[in-house]
Amino acid sequence: DQQVKQNSPSLSVQEGRISILNCDYTNSMFDYFLWYKKYPAEGPTFLISISSIKDKNEDGRFTVFLNKSAKHLSLHIVPSQPGDSAVYFCAASLNSGGSNYKLTFGKGTLLTVNP
Amino acid sequence: GAGVSQSPSNKVTEKGKDVELRCDPISGHTALYWYRQSLGQGLEFLIYFQGNSAPDKSGLPSDRFSAERTGGSVSTLTIQRTQQEDSAVYLCASSLVWLAGAKTETQYFGPGTRLLVL
Repeated sequence: DQQVKQNSPSLSVQEGRISILNCDYTNSMFDYFLWYKKYPAEGPTFLISISSIKDKNEDGRFTVFLNKSAKHLSLHIVPSQPGDSAVYFCAASLNSGGSNYKLTFGKGTLLTVNP
Repeated sequence: GAGVSQSPSNKVTEKGKDVELRCDPISGHTALYWYRQSLGQGLEFLIYFQGNSAPDKSGLPSDRFSAERTGGSVSTLTIQRTQQEDSAVYLCASSLVWLAGAKTETQYFGPGTRLLVL
């Protein structure tokens, strides 16, 4: 039973355009969400996060949107650069209830940014 | 400063053999986590340590899996009598601290150990 779903295994965009990566979750108790980026042969690197009390968080070219009613979040990258090509993982945790140590990950989306 | 390091980077073993995977967290990080990523899957939580103590081992797939941490630093994940389904990338992460009810701390990941069981 997958609690965090990334339904698009891959996404290809042109350099300079917007990349939109989507993530859905089923556990309404999740209250903290993160995006990690992973290059081949490296570990995941933290990118950006959002608490459930917010609906948007922005950091430079990266913006995460959270729609709690739809249990959906998305990562926007504007403008996309070739160096953004990587696998992007969506993850969720429960800050309350003492389970904030456990990240539940989606399967990832491979983003390819073409020059 | 140095990041999380893991060794070996790759391990090929025969079914039934024991393997030991090592993780060196970032210096000063008190919390340490183990995940694994099987082919085509997301990262699966296995266990975490706060100091040398492992309050939650429920993610370990079977009793063939065990982990320990000594001196609040290095951790080893041991898989006994390996099976082919154990083939995966085993990732270790660390964070500055873990506090119940506090904001999720950013977890910093190592490069992983790729385990192949023949």
